[in-house]
Amino acid sequence: NAGVIQTPRHKVTGKGQEATLWCEPISGHSAVFWYRQTIVQGLEFLTYFRNQAPIDDSGMPKERFSAQMPNQSHSTLKIQSTQPQDSAVYLCASSLVGGYYEQYFGPGTRLTVL
Amino acid sequence: AQKVTQTQTSISVMEKTTVTMDCVYETRDSSYFLFWYKQTASGEIVFLIRQDSYKKENATEGHYSLNFQKPKSSIGLIITATQIEDSAVYFCAMSRTGANTGKLTFGHGTILRVHP
Repeated sequence: NAGVIQTPRHKVTGKGQEATLWCEPISGHSAVFWYRQTIVQGLEFLTYFRNQAPIDDSGMPKERFSAQMPNQSHSTLKIQSTQPQDSAVYLCASSLVGGYYEQYFGPGTRLTVL
Repeated sequence: AQKVTQTQTSISVMEKTTVTMDCVYETRDSSYFLFWYKQTASGEIVFLIRQDSYKKENATEGHYSLNFQKPKSSIGLIITATQIEDSAVYFCAMSRTGANTGKLTFGHGTILRVHP
């Protein structure tokens, strides 16, 4: 089992550019989560899919951020018009079912916005 | 909304000793799940142990165990016989129960340094 795969591992964008982050969950896991980690805010929840359907996006910034899960094998997080404050490590995690089961985290994508 | 607080910023211990890391939480739910994860120097986040709020018995997993005190909203992590490779950042987290829940609310973490 390869674990959760995230690509790219590092991404540098200029202010105002778009960034798309990819996540491949563990095969058989029906729940996919996105988190963001910064020194100041720590680990913050962004959004959650179950069986590809969006369930909870309460952590997503209302503007510029969007997430999709077009099939069971991958999810994307898109940030439009990136700003320096978007610089963070973006983590994808998957689990068998949300809530009870532990989440398995990917290695993260380090986004740097210049 | 749930809240998780880890008051210890960092702890240093000698190898082979026992360490306890504190965590308190806030929730209006009567039932919830509590987790501990660790983040290694490489950035990898690894699940360690879980406590179901409705279970009175403290969870154990290898050399990890929990001290669950529900009336105090406290879930301490105990690591026995610490090893150098236990050096990491330890995060306490919680989630709600229910089919449409699952997001983790994390504390800010406790850095553990294990010295030879």
